[in-house]
Amino acid sequence: SQTIHQWPATLVQPVGSPLSLECTVEGTSNPNLYWYRQAAGRGLQLLFYSVGIGQISSEVPQNLSASRPQDRQFILSSKKLLLSDSGFYLCARESSVGYTFGSGTRLTVV
Amino acid sequence: TQLLEQSPQFLSIQEGENLTVYCNSSSVFSSLQWYRQEPGEGPVLLVTVVTGGEVKKLKRLTFQFGDARKDSSLHITAAQPGDTGLYLCAGFYSTLTFGKGTMLLVSP
Repeated sequence: SQTIHQWPATLVQPVGSPLSLECTVEGTSNPNLYWYRQAAGRGLQLLFYSVGIGQISSEVPQNLSASRPQDRQFILSSKKLLLSDSGFYLCARESSVGYTFGSGTRLTVV
Repeated sequence: TQLLEQSPQFLSIQEGENLTVYCNSSSVFSSLQWYRQEPGEGPVLLVTVVTGGEVKKLKRLTFQFGDARKDSSLHITAAQPGDTGLYLCAGFYSTLTFGKGTMLLVSP
């Protein structure tokens, strides 16, 4: 199984509040993991990826950070949310044939 | 930055019609993937094409990878309402880069 668990499904947070989104994956060990953000039901923007524990690569400078404390756990965080952080956040793992995505978290910053 | 342009952005058709969605780039990719996404869900992989000129068929869906591995197309025959969704192409080099998608609406 290559199942990906993401929670929560929806989140409404005030501007300036912290954020922590968690993604856990099942299946083979040491997967490459990714965080994407999708705005307005359109294309996906790569935010961070990780090839192993403690290894994080950032694709775009922004108000977010990521961590990988365990092999199958990938966390997206922010210390102070901005209105522009609103969007649909998707976690994904890479396999030999393509990416498997979680069901996503809809974040609304108010 | 590797950009993928998808066209059309939106397509509304009647059940039974045929359609083609295009994905174009100026960059060469090692592979190209097509995903379908429903509202509130993550994208689901439909197919991966690797070889230039490759054609893959998945029931009523036909995917083609351009000879130069810069472009791809998705053709749907006799569209059904269940085909409704956002179709995303994504090119893989070191990471996966997505186009903005084509929103397909098939009406009964």
